[in-house]
Amino acid sequence: GEDVEQSLFLSVREGDSSVINCTYTDSSSTYLYWYKQEPGAGLQLLTYIFSNMDMKQDQRLTVLLNKKDKHLSLRIADTQTGDSAIYFCAESRAGGGADGLTFGKGTHLIIQP
Amino acid sequence: EAQVTQNPRYLITVTGKKLTVTCSQNMNHEYMSWYRQDPGLGLRQIYYSMNVEVTDKGDVPEGYKVSRKEKRNFPLILESPSPNQTSLYFCASSPGQGAPNNQPQHFGDGTRLSIL
Repeated sequence: GEDVEQSLFLSVREGDSSVINCTYTDSSSTYLYWYKQEPGAGLQLLTYIFSNMDMKQDQRLTVLLNKKDKHLSLRIADTQTGDSAIYFCAESRAGGGADGLTFGKGTHLIIQP
Repeated sequence: EAQVTQNPRYLITVTGKKLTVTCSQNMNHEYMSWYRQDPGLGLRQIYYSMNVEVTDKGDVPEGYKVSRKEKRNFPLILESPSPNQTSLYFCASSPGQGAPNNQPQHFGDGTRLSIL
């Protein structure tokens, strides 16, 4: 079945770049997503990438997709204390319908001063 | 302000006592969905709705019901709650009309349910 894997924790120094990695198994995935969850809040959609793209940049965020290896990464440049959160990778199954989203378990990003 | 509002935010109740968690969005979104978040399991979809009077099961629908009588509201109903439904619940909405807009873009702040 479908599975999305992420490491549980990542610790970086303020001002450095953060790279959060994700692997997925469903080769029919059409879109891949990154969500951010701050303490006590719901998830916020950060960005997404279509499976025929290999890179997408949006201000401090860069998403890289290696479809051959089924590997997705989120790079946050110049990491700030406000970036401290849990980051979820998610994939949509073929068709991209609302019933087809599988989440990873989330990566806790910890910012060191 | 665009938002998804859930109520209540916290609830402690007992096994078997019916409860409803309300969800309302003010963005005229077609798609709405419910997720539960559990430690070590991430988010799992319970039910979703593509439009008024159109609902379908997600990955973990057992023990839950939903309804979509109006576009803005999508309540989650637990007819006979059990302790294994103790969890953090999120409602989400999205514009719909095809991928990627079918996927949740706006989440509520969550409802923490404890079933004793």
